[in-house]
Amino acid sequence: DGGITQSPKYLFRKEGQNVTLSCEQNLNHDAMYWYRQDPGQGLRLIYYSQIVNDFQKGDIAEGYSVSREKKESFPLTVTSAQKNPTAFYLCASSIKRGETQYFGPGTRLLVL
Amino acid sequence: GQSLEQPSEVTAVEGAIVQINCTYQTSGFYGLSWYQQHDGGAPTFLSYNALDGLEETGRFSSFLSRSDSYGYLLLQELQMKDSASYFCAVRRSGGSYIPTFGRGTSLIVHP
Repeated sequence: DGGITQSPKYLFRKEGQNVTLSCEQNLNHDAMYWYRQDPGQGLRLIYYSQIVNDFQKGDIAEGYSVSREKKESFPLTVTSAQKNPTAFYLCASSIKRGETQYFGPGTRLLVL
Repeated sequence: GQSLEQPSEVTAVEGAIVQINCTYQTSGFYGLSWYQQHDGGAPTFLSYNALDGLEETGRFSSFLSRSDSYGYLLLQELQMKDSASYFCAVRRSGGSYIPTFGRGTSLIVHP
């Protein structure tokens, strides 16, 4: 079955710690995205990548980093510089010139 | 930039019809998308309107009026499972396919 997987489902971060959220897709999509969702809010774009080895900052990139070494994978690192990381993180993918975004099940990040 | 306005919450009873509105402001409009997200779940794509008029997909329909910068999602024969958040989205200006999402409308369906 084709789709997007994210792991872990829940992640706990200690103060000063970097954590990495995994996102993998087997849809053969060129473009991948990371969004942050806070309670009662819409989706805010963190980073996106439209091709392997290239990525761009979104609207709220500060305190986050990404890599795109493989077409299938787009991991997100939440660094210690992100002072308010508690949120629901969603990964999505699309074809390069596609209107439709396909989302993974999300990772809920909590701070200890 | 882009901005989208949608009501924060809509309530309805099972079996009824409900309309969720979305007004947008954007330079270079390409189309309006709708997504559904159940609590704690992933958003899923519902519909996309690039041209004026009504698009029907089963119990769900989506309407667009480009001259009014307005669209809506119409849900008929409401079921309890339709309780979810609904987001409208437009493509960002500049030709990219990256969407900007509205803040979402929470639909609560009562028995």
